[in-house]
Amino acid sequence: SAVISQKPSRDICQRGTSLTIQCQVDSQVTMMFWYRQQPGQSLTLIATANQGSEATYESGFVIDKFPISRPNLTFSTLTVSNMSPEDSSIYLCSVPLLAGGPYNEQFFGPGTRLTVL
Amino acid sequence: RKEVEQDPGPFNVPEGATVAFNCTYSNSASQSFFWYRQDCRKEPKLLMSVYSSGNEDGRFTAQLNRASQYISLLIRDSKLSDSATYLCVVYGTTSGTYKYIFGTGTRLKVLA
Repeated sequence: SAVISQKPSRDICQRGTSLTIQCQVDSQVTMMFWYRQQPGQSLTLIATANQGSEATYESGFVIDKFPISRPNLTFSTLTVSNMSPEDSSIYLCSVPLLAGGPYNEQFFGPGTRLTVL
Repeated sequence: RKEVEQDPGPFNVPEGATVAFNCTYSNSASQSFFWYRQDCRKEPKLLMSVYSSGNEDGRFTAQLNRASQYISLLIRDSKLSDSATYLCVVYGTTSGTYKYIFGTGTRLKVLA
């Protein structure tokens, strides 16, 4: 299994500001995922963060709005830039148990609950 | 059409009841299938993977029908602690990129 921590656990921010969310894993993993879960909705993949290369963003998400860093195999950050109330959401990072193959369990961090005023 | 579709519920059932959830997926090339459980204000956690031949884990049975592109989850003898949102997750490739796609979730409330 993997133990994942996220910081901050929650924050309330003013519109127009930026927030950086940290994700720390207790083991080295190749792939890390960042998801958004808006109120009452399911998880939407924002991007895949690979160590040593640029993140791969899903349709509807861009690097300028959600820059991601992946400096090593145990850590990643997601920044929510120039926030608006529509960015209010839970942001979760996750890692697959084994990189790449099928039947891989995903482990999730506890999430960061963001409220933008 | 959504890539993974679930009935959002809620399913309100009495303790001891049997309840079944279905999930359909659109990508016939999908490789792996899972049921996750998410409690209120918590992160999702794996309930069980779904294998082609179907599989059982205690009171939970998962089935996969590739021809019809649906997955099911059966919960027998429901407990109050089973109350949660159940997420259907499909792993496969879209345009060459592998990723997990989450359904919207089905809410279950088990009533005393």
